This record gives sequence, C-alpha cells and structure tokens, in this order.
Amino acid sequence: DAGVTQSPTHLIKTRGQQVTLRCSPKSGHDTVSWYQQALGQGPQFIFQYYEEEERQRGNFPDRFSGHQFPNYSSELNVNALLLGDSALYLCASSFADEQFFGPGTRLTVL
Amino acid sequence: GENVGLHLPTLSVQEGDNSIINCAYSNSASDYFIWYKQESGKGPQFIIDIRSNMDKRQGQRVTVLLNKTVKHLSLQIAATQPGDSAVYFCAENRGGSTLGRLYFGRGTQLTVWP
Repeated sequence: DAGVTQSPTHLIKTRGQQVTLRCSPKSGHDTVSWYQQALGQGPQFIFQYYEEEERQRGNFPDRFSGHQFPNYSSELNVNALLLGDSALYLCASSFADEQFFGPGTRLTVL
Repeated sequence: GENVGLHLPTLSVQEGDNSIINCAYSNSASDYFIWYKQESGKGPQFIIDIRSNMDKRQGQRVTVLLNKTVKHLSLQIAATQPGDSAVYFCAENRGGSTLGRLYFGRGTQLTVWP
C-alpha cells in the first residue's frame, strides 16, 4: 500500500492562473481533507470531502474548490491564483480515527 | 530543556536528553488531540494521540499529557535522538466523533545535537 499520494510534487504558476492538485487516499480510507501550509506555519484546514460531497469547510474563499470521485480520490482546484497562495498543499485521508497525510504539493505562484 | 509553546518555537537538546514540547489549545470543546512530526519536505506524520477523557498516554519513547483545566498539551520524548529533529505540531479535533477539521498549533522546531 503506497499510503496517501499527491501529484504533482512541485508546481509553478503565475498570478491569475488556475491550478488542480490531486490526491489518492490510502487504501480503505473514504474521507479526504485538504490543508494549506504556508512556510513556517502549521497546516490550515481548507475543506473535507466524504461520499463525494464537501462535508466541512475552513475559512478559504470560493476560489478554492474541490471534488471527490467515486474511488475516493480527490482534487483541489484554485482559481485566479494570488502570490499568497504559494504554500505546501497537504492532503490527508482518513477512516474513523485513522488519518494519514500525504507528502504535499509545493505550489509557487510568481 | 522545556519549551513554553507558541512563544518559543525552537528547542535544542543534546542527544540522549529528554525533550518536552508544549502546546496550548483554544477550544474547550475539543475532544481529541494529536501530535505530529514533520520533517523537511514531508507531510506531517502521526506520533501519538489522546482523547479528552484521558490525561496521559504513552507510546514508544513518547508520552502525551493533557491538562484540560488550563487547556494545555505536552509531548515528552525520552532519550532524544538525532532522528527526532523535526517540527512538532499539536492538533485539536473539533469534529466530534468524526475525525474532521484539525486545528494546528504553530509548531516547535526540535533540534538534537550530538
């Protein structure tokens, strides 16, 4: 079992562009959460998906959207990128009380 | 060396010493707490957790203490090793019975020197 995987590993975009990040959960996990981690800070919750629906959402603008597929994998989309969106984006998959984080996608917005 | 939490985000200890990392949480309704270790370039890695109906839990070389009265959490690492060098985060779950939205602390950088 590969655990939680994320793609791509690194990404460079320019302001105003759109980006899609992908996450494959650990086998047996049905819930996916996304976090944004700015440099030197703790992860901040963006949203959580369960049964293909957004179940909880943090304090992020509508530019941040997501999707969960029937196989439980998930995408995070960010529109109209800002310089401040530069961060490590973490995906965490969970089932009951078990949760694992992926390695993250490093997004740089120029 | 004892870290006083968010006000001192770095902790340096000598190999073999015990480390104590502190964390204050904000929501008295939080019922589940997790300590994570994050190495450079990697995602957070689960270390140990504790529920609000407990005040102490032990793992391999690690102990978590929970003081609900003052909303304080600590992570004790015994016989600290160079491989323990990382940033440590405490996280509180406010999702009730479901593991949901985690609130992370700022983190403490632990450096272990020989």
